[in-house]
Amino acid sequence: DGGITQSPKYLFRKEGQNVTLSCEQNLNHDAMYWYRQDPGQGLRLIYYSQIVNDFQKGDIAEGYSVSREKKESFPLTVTSAQKNPTAFYLCASTPNWRGLDTQYFGPGTRLTVL
Amino acid sequence: AQSVTQLGSHVSVSEGALVLLRCNYSSSVPPYLFWYVQYPNQGLQLLLKYTSAATLVKGINGFEAEFKKSETSFHLTKPSAHMSDAAEYFCAVSDDTGGFKTIFGAGTRLFVKA
Repeated sequence: DGGITQSPKYLFRKEGQNVTLSCEQNLNHDAMYWYRQDPGQGLRLIYYSQIVNDFQKGDIAEGYSVSREKKESFPLTVTSAQKNPTAFYLCASTPNWRGLDTQYFGPGTRLTVL
Repeated sequence: AQSVTQLGSHVSVSEGALVLLRCNYSSSVPPYLFWYVQYPNQGLQLLLKYTSAATLVKGINGFEAEFKKSETSFHLTKPSAHMSDAAEYFCAVSDDTGGFKTIFGAGTRLFVKA
């Protein structure tokens, strides 16, 4: 079955640590997205990638970094510069970069700072 | 600029009662509109999508939504609530202005009482 996988499901980070969240898709989609979800705030876009080897900042990119070396993979690194990283992180993809498509979401990673 | 407003962060209904979740949007061009559902600690999945065809859109699990341009609304309804409908629901808007972004509302959590 095609879909998006995210790992780990739960992640704990100590102050000052960088951590990387994995996102893999086998849908053959060109575009991929990272969102942050906080209670009562909906989804906020962190980074997006329209195509391999290209990515753009979203609305809340500070303290995060990404790479897109393969079509299937779009990992997100939460750096020590992100002051309040505790949140639920969702990865999504669409067949192409136009914003009219249904977004397909992974199951999410819950990050907690200790 | 696009925006989405979901009226009511929490809605509570009795099992068997009508479900009505409200969504108003703002878009400078004809929009695509989406409703997504999220169960606890999971990703979002598409309930239904409006793409400028029929104004009444039927989705999964007995949900439907009506696009009303004059009211800039896209409210989600279900005639009879089931316990399994308890979840968070997100309205989203996207338009074909050459960009890619989908804007999500803050979400409405639906509680279903036995």
